[in-house]
Amino acid sequence: GESVGLHLPTLSVQEGDNSIINCAYSNSASDYFIWYKQESGKGPQFIIDIRSNMDKRQGQRVTVLLNKTVKHLSLQIAATQPGDSAVYFCAENINQAGTALIFGKGTTLSVSS
Amino acid sequence: GAVVSQHPSRVICKSGTSVKIECRSLDFQATTMFWYRQFPKQSLMLMATSNEGSKATYEQGVEKDKFLINHASLTLSTLTVTSAHPEDSSFYICSARWDRVNTDTQYFGPGTRLTVL
Repeated sequence: GESVGLHLPTLSVQEGDNSIINCAYSNSASDYFIWYKQESGKGPQFIIDIRSNMDKRQGQRVTVLLNKTVKHLSLQIAATQPGDSAVYFCAENINQAGTALIFGKGTTLSVSS
Repeated sequence: GAVVSQHPSRVICKSGTSVKIECRSLDFQATTMFWYRQFPKQSLMLMATSNEGSKATYEQGVEKDKFLINHASLTLSTLTVTSAHPEDSSFYICSARWDRVNTDTQYFGPGTRLTVL
């Protein structure tokens, strides 16, 4: 389950600020994690992934941090833009197990100009 | 690359009719596809796992006779909602797992909005 106080259902930031979205995952055996972005009325869009043998991975304007000790995942978005406004989901899986992703509850990011 | 399409994107039907939703991986092969359902302001709920050439695996509480899944090829899975009722109205999303070594990335379709009157 989710750690109390760790997951925020909504996050409001100003354009240009950095955003940090947190997620607590549930399965200690999970070794593959993905962040998805979902805009209203659309399917989830892959943002970035990370395997459990890493604790940080960077993409374009995004960074994912993994803390296996406390089963915590975070997504950092640099210089947040209005187009980043969406719902962000973390998902976990056991790599190559052929099983479906387990999704977190989602955080709605609102970026104001 | 890694594009997944769904058809139709939106469908309105009368109660009691059946609706078929197609999920296609356009530029990659996917032995395994997944069907999800999403209610407003909620997360994705896994309904079933679709495997090419074999029967789908349904999650607990999902009626297999109501939600028929057929994974006819490595690029196509279909979900048929039979005898649809208003409570079946939802956003249905499929995902496809790319048949590639050392990856479990799933790519999602754009979703199908089903409204049952």
